[in-house]
Amino acid sequence: DAKTTQPNSMESNEEEPVHLPCNHSTISGTDYIHWYRQLPSQGPEYVIHGLTSNVNNRMASLAIAEDRKSSTLILHRATLRDAAVYYCIRRGGTSGTYKYIFGTGTRLKVLA
Amino acid sequence: EAGVAQSPRYKIIEKRQSVAFWCNPISGHATLYWYQQILGQGPKLLIQFQNNGVVDDSQLPKDRFSAERLKGVDSTLKIQPAKLEDSAVYLCASIAAVSGNTIYFGEGSWLTVV
Repeated sequence: DAKTTQPNSMESNEEEPVHLPCNHSTISGTDYIHWYRQLPSQGPEYVIHGLTSNVNNRMASLAIAEDRKSSTLILHRATLRDAAVYYCIRRGGTSGTYKYIFGTGTRLKVLA
Repeated sequence: EAGVAQSPRYKIIEKRQSVAFWCNPISGHATLYWYQQILGQGPKLLIQFQNNGVVDDSQLPKDRFSAERLKGVDSTLKIQPAKLEDSAVYLCASIAAVSGNTIYFGEGSWLTVV
């Protein structure tokens, strides 16, 4: 989706934090922000999601700007297993019609 | 809990031939999606089903692509005739209608058109 943009690639050293940005300047007030990642030869897998407040789970944290026009996925300590393409996704619609529109994706490289 | 199952995993066909992909979503998931992912790009939604009805097929190239979910469970995506630009991974995904917070993807069906 051209309206959800991410940097093409990023690098991080192992054991260091990683901040993956996403711009979704035209997001509507009811769209959730989801992050998924895709390992080679696999389907995307869930990482985290949020609406307005910052969110934490065992995998990552999600920081959402106050105006909701951008968000940042935070991996607290990158490992080699975190090397993947990370997608920022807008989820719109209502129950039964939810739409997941993928952003451009960021390829994360983790250096040992 | 079994995941989203897709087959075949890999397929190579010549242009103008036909191909069909099958998907079995997670049990009880009412909403099913087919995405097309061209190499180096993010997945693009082709069609969305709610039970056995089509919710959105606005981006499905209907002159060559068709999809069905007759009994509201498994689904088939067909391409006929295939073009070189159809080479991609075809991802099936599903969600439970109520929560809608986690969409589960299959491993994908890799299509190469030569």
